[in-house]
Amino acid sequence: QQQVKQSPQSLIVQKGGISIINCAYENTAFDYFPWYQQFPGKGPALLIAIRPDVSEKKEGRFTISFNKSAKQFSLHIMDSQPGDSATYFCAVGEGGDDKIIFGKGTRLHILP
Amino acid sequence: NAGVTQTPKFQVLKTGQSMTLQCAQDMNHEYMSWYRQDPGMGLRLIHYSVGAGITDQGEVPNGYNVSRSTTEDFPLRLLSAAPSQTSVYFCASSYALATPGNTIYFGEGSWLTVV
Repeated sequence: QQQVKQSPQSLIVQKGGISIINCAYENTAFDYFPWYQQFPGKGPALLIAIRPDVSEKKEGRFTISFNKSAKQFSLHIMDSQPGDSATYFCAVGEGGDDKIIFGKGTRLHILP
Repeated sequence: NAGVTQTPKFQVLKTGQSMTLQCAQDMNHEYMSWYRQDPGMGLRLIHYSVGAGITDQGEVPNGYNVSRSTTEDFPLRLLSAAPSQTSVYFCASSYALATPGNTIYFGEGSWLTVV
């Protein structure tokens, strides 16, 4: 049973457009929601993370929107650039637990 | 500033062979873990450790063993390689796992093919 569902599986966006990746979870005990970015041939790296006590967090062109009642959170990439082309993973975690659960990933391609 | 170092980068094994993927971190992290990444499956946790001498199973532990004799090292052993274990393996470390503000640092991956 998937504890976090990520969509879409792949995404193509024009340069300058907005890329949106969504994740949904079931367990209301989760209280940590990071996004990781992975370039080809490299390991994932933390991009941005949010706690459930805020509805939005912005870092540069990257924004996480969090909807606690719907148990959903999303990553928005504004003014998408070819250098943003990568695989993005959402994840969920519970404070005090020893594990982070990753979504299946979204392959993002930004057209030049 | 090495971070998380994995070796080897690439490996081809024959079915039934055993091997060890090495992982070392120089950040004095307590938490270390191994993931495998397969197309369309995301990152799946194999085994993890919350400190030296302590290990536990993740989502897909069968066919793999781990040990944590030191804080720095967390090797992953394939006991009898099977084609289903063809994958990219990532080692990761962190101060904690699910603590907000914490970062999981990943190695660059080990590409394993079992023929």
